[in-house]
Amino acid sequence: EIVLTQSPGTLSLSPGDRATFSCTASQSVDNSYLAWYQQKPGQAPRLLIYDASLRATGIPDRFSGSGSGTDFTLTINRLEPEDFAVYHCQQYGSSPYTFGQGTKLEIK
Amino acid sequence: QVQPQQWGAGLLRPSETLSLTCGISSGSFSAYYWSWIRQPPGKGLEWIGEINHGPMYNYNPALKSRVTILVDTSKKQFSLKLSSVTAADTAVYYCARGVRPKVVAARDWGQGTLVTVSS
Repeated sequence: EIVLTQSPGTLSLSPGDRATFSCTASQSVDNSYLAWYQQKPGQAPRLLIYDASLRATGIPDRFSGSGSGTDFTLTINRLEPEDFAVYHCQQYGSSPYTFGQGTKLEIK
Repeated sequence: QVQPQQWGAGLLRPSETLSLTCGISSGSFSAYYWSWIRQPPGKGLEWIGEINHGPMYNYNPALKSRVTILVDTSKKQFSLKLSSVTAADTAVYYCARGVRPKVVAARDWGQGTLVTVSS
C-alpha cells in the first residue's frame, strides 16, 4: 500500500499569497495517477487536479499541479478568500487507492 | 457532469450491516469508475472500493472481508454493504464517479451519508 504524506499539516497565508502543498508517496505512483481535492466543512471533496497536472472542468487556472514519481505539488496562485479549506491528495496508480492526511489552509 | 444521489440507514448497532445505495437519474453510468469513500468525523478520507466497466470490482484489503459492492446498471445504481460494523465504521460515506471514463479520480460526488454505529 502506498502511503501519502502531506506537508505542511497547516498552512497560514493571506489572500493574494501563493500556496504550495506537498504530497510525498512512499513509492512511485504509477503513471502519475495523483489527484488533488479541496474540501470545505460539511461538504464533499471537490476535484481540482487529476493525473498530477490536469485541471478538472471549471477549476480556475490559479490552481496547478505538478510532479511525478514520489513527489507532487499543488500550487494556488493569488489566494482568494474561498480557497481557505482542507486539501487532500490521492493516488490511484495502484490499489488500494490511498489519500494523504490532508493540509489545512487557514487565513493568517 | 452528474449529481449522484445516495441513500441508506444512518444509525446502526454494532454487528449490523451497513447498506447504502447511490445512483444517477441521467447521464452515463457504465463507462465510468464508481467509488465508495468514507471519512470518519474530523479525520481523513479512506477509499473503500470501486466498480468499473466490465463490471469489475476492486476493494480495499483492509475492509475486503466485510465489503460487498453491487451494481444495477439498468437503474444506474450501485450499492455498498459493510457487514459486522463497529464504532470504528462511524463516518460520512460518499459515492463518487470518475472524472472521465477509465479514470478513478472522482469528480462527481454524492451528498454524503453520516452513518453512526452506536449501541
